[in-house]
Amino acid sequence: DTAVSQTPKYLVTQMGNDKSIKCEQNLGHDTMYWYKQDSKKFLKIMFSYNNKELIINETVPNRFSPKSPDKAHLNLHINSLELGDSAVYFCASGLLSNQPQHFGDGTRLSIL
Amino acid sequence: QKEVEQNSGPLSVPEGAIASLNCTYSDRVSQSFFWYRQYSGKSPELIMSIYSNGDKEDGRFTAQLNKASQYVSLLIRDSQPSDSATYLCAVTTGGNTGKLIFGQGTTLQVKP
Repeated sequence: DTAVSQTPKYLVTQMGNDKSIKCEQNLGHDTMYWYKQDSKKFLKIMFSYNNKELIINETVPNRFSPKSPDKAHLNLHINSLELGDSAVYFCASGLLSNQPQHFGDGTRLSIL
Repeated sequence: QKEVEQNSGPLSVPEGAIASLNCTYSDRVSQSFFWYRQYSGKSPELIMSIYSNGDKEDGRFTAQLNKASQYVSLLIRDSQPSDSATYLCAVTTGGNTGKLIFGQGTTLQVKP
């Protein structure tokens, strides 16, 4: 009964490809987030959705497109992958307030 | 100036000692403060949250917050080798978006 689950755990692909990462939470939270953790371990917010509505949209290339079919799911689609996209992508969920966020296990994306 | 600053370390302490981790933040209206622990190759795990000035204790962990000085710290008493990890300080920004700003993390090494 994993609280925040992401798939896949590892993603190895070539430059120029399009890929998606899926995230689901069963905590009943109303807000979900995508974070990127780079090679220097710096964790940075990318997007958040609250009840299917986009709340946070940081300065991210428009090759990245989040989609939230319902409040328990938030997917991340990436077009035309570039070498610099290699990172670990974490999904998180929480309440839309100043409460803690809970993280999934991460998706390690490697671009060849 | 970075929004959330931590000393990247490594901070090395002997087993049984007190480890002291520090964090400063720049946004005066921040309301919520969190400490996450991240083992290598794993996801961030919430260990402490603090919302008001003073100390908050949970087992071997004590979080300290001083909003006037824009400073938050984490003390780990009776440090164990299993505490060896990267500790991430996270701060909410102003507004009710749940946006978390993370520091770059402090690597703690507890030596037996």
